[in-house]
Amino acid sequence: DAGVIQSPRHEVTEMGQEVTLRCKPISGHDYLFWYRQTMMRGLELLIYFNNNVPIDDSGMPEDRFSAKMPNASFSTLKIQPSEPRDSAVYFCASSLRGGYSYEQYFGPGTRLTVT
Amino acid sequence: DAKTTQPNSMESNEEEPVHLPCNHSTISGTDYIHWYRQLPSQGPEYVIHGLTSNVNNRMASLAIAEDRKSSTLILHRATLRDAAVYYCILRGAYGGATNKLIFGTGTLLAVQP
Repeated sequence: DAGVIQSPRHEVTEMGQEVTLRCKPISGHDYLFWYRQTMMRGLELLIYFNNNVPIDDSGMPEDRFSAKMPNASFSTLKIQPSEPRDSAVYFCASSLRGGYSYEQYFGPGTRLTVT
Repeated sequence: DAKTTQPNSMESNEEEPVHLPCNHSTISGTDYIHWYRQLPSQGPEYVIHGLTSNVNNRMASLAIAEDRKSSTLILHRATLRDAAVYYCILRGAYGGATNKLIFGTGTLLAVQP
């Protein structure tokens, strides 16, 4: 299995531009998670989906952030407009099922730099 | 949410055992103890989890105190590849919280050759 795939791996953009991060979860996994990692705040859960439906978006920082999962094999995290404080590493993760006994598999991350 | 406390950093020598402690004095009876680690420039990866009994897998062992207020992740023979940030995380057994991983600051483990 190829694992969780994220693209792009690196993104550099200017403030005010729209940024779209992409994720392909492991085939057959029902849950998909988006995390953000910064030096100041560490790893934070932004949003997660179950069977393509957003379940908890309480971690999404503000309306500039939106996430979609149009099908079981693809999800996007969009920032519009982007700001320098959005610079971070964004991880996507998936798990076979929800619940405490199911591990989450993380992708390699997308390093976003907003200038 | 129940919180965990870990040392900021630890050092070990290659091929020696490593004991990574975690305190979780406010753990509830239905919280599972999970460990993840994050190698440099990679996403976190699952290591092990347990409830009350000690657990072993191919990567590590998890020793849980009888009162469950602390636990220890044991790497039996550290290798250079084990240098990473290790996160101790509590996951509830019920409700929406069971789906979430709440990461703390973790322990940065350095392994010396």
